[in-house]
Amino acid sequence: EAGVVQSPRYKIIEKKQPVAFWCNPISGHNTLYWYRQNLGQGPELLIRYENEEAVDDSQLPKDRFSAERLKGVDSTLKIQPAELGDSAVYLCASRQGPNTGELFFGEGSRLTVL
Amino acid sequence: QKEVEQNSGPLSVPEGAIASLNCTYSDRGSQSFFWYRQYSGKSPELIMSIYSNGDKEDGRFTAQLNKASQYVSLLIRDSQPSDSATYLCAVNPNRDDKIIFGKGTRLHILP
Repeated sequence: EAGVVQSPRYKIIEKKQPVAFWCNPISGHNTLYWYRQNLGQGPELLIRYENEEAVDDSQLPKDRFSAERLKGVDSTLKIQPAELGDSAVYLCASRQGPNTGELFFGEGSRLTVL
Repeated sequence: QKEVEQNSGPLSVPEGAIASLNCTYSDRGSQSFFWYRQYSGKSPELIMSIYSNGDKEDGRFTAQLNKASQYVSLLIRDSQPSDSATYLCAVNPNRDDKIIFGKGTRLHILP
């Protein structure tokens, strides 16, 4: 069974440019998470989806970050415009359902903003 | 108080010894607890989950949970150089489906 798939793996952009990350969760996993991980830190939740509904986006910087999960499967996380401090690894993870099962991560998208 | 706390390390353990990793959490109603291993430049990989008080063993790994003390630990027996990584403790608070991670403990197994 395929795991969580993310792309791109690496992205280097200049500040003020836009960037987008894509995630395809494990088949049948209704809950999808986007985390951001800075060097030497644990993952920090940005947004959580139950199917197509964003149920927790309290940590998402809404002035520049947006996310969507159309049809409750794939998800896209966008940053526009990017700032130097956005350099991090963006991790997508999925879970079978609310409070159900274990959380599995994709390989992550490493963003460098110059 | 942070929701999930871990000693950042590094924790150095001789090869073949037992490595003990600790984690405390603040939400007393938390129900699900996870340990992830993360190699440098890689994403977190689930190695253990535990839901009830006591010990849970899987190969060389044992997770221990004490809800009264709000404490969860991971023991790695017969430590190998390949166990050198950062270990992340994660907690699912009772209030919602958010999974919160600690900062991780860097473990270094000395050959």
